[in-house]
Amino acid sequence: AQSVTQLDSQVPVFEEAPVELRCNYSSSVSVYLFWYVQYPNQGLQLLLKYLSGSTLVKGINGFEAEFNKSQTSFHLRKPSVHISDTAEYFCAVSDTGAGNMLTFGGGTRLMVKP
Amino acid sequence: EAGVAQSPRYKIIEKRQSVAFWCNPISGHATLYWYQQILGQGPKLLIQFQNNGVVDDSQLPKDRFSAERLKGVDSTLKIQPAKLEDSAVYLCASSRDESGAFFGQGTRLTVV
Repeated sequence: AQSVTQLDSQVPVFEEAPVELRCNYSSSVSVYLFWYVQYPNQGLQLLLKYLSGSTLVKGINGFEAEFNKSQTSFHLRKPSVHISDTAEYFCAVSDTGAGNMLTFGGGTRLMVKP
Repeated sequence: EAGVAQSPRYKIIEKRQSVAFWCNPISGHATLYWYQQILGQGPKLLIQFQNNGVVDDSQLPKDRFSAERLKGVDSTLKIQPAKLEDSAVYLCASSRDESGAFFGQGTRLTVV
């Protein structure tokens, strides 16, 4: 069984400041890792993913994440946030070989203040 | 490329009534998923289809929930009878491979 823990339920940050959203997972097998963003009353949009290769992954909207196997973490970062980044962010994991049967964390609400 | 289409966007029903949601995946995506997202939580997988066969439905409450994907394309999710705790957003997603699933906008169900 897998689980995903997003350590912060809310992260307030000022516009143009850097941000890190934390994600830790547990799994007994190799995994794929994903970050999704959800704007109000919308579905989930894929931000970035780690499947294999380089542990530093770049995604859309200037976000990046680093896979750390020893710490079982996949933290999301952005060097300078905008008001438009205000949304709910979900970290998710799937077993390699299990398609996209995703297990999601509880989400982190990023609140960007002017 | 058109995204995952879901309807209706919103539905309000009384407890013990039945309701059905429809999903049309991205063209060519063999895998289709239904997720339930309760307010303030992450989505939880209910059922996964590969073409028209069920891959996993271990978290589907089968006494009241059912889902089908008869021709390997569109899918419907039904709840009968609905309970208050079924109030949630029901998300449909589809994928072509393991590189990520694409989600629809969801159906927000309110059971009163």
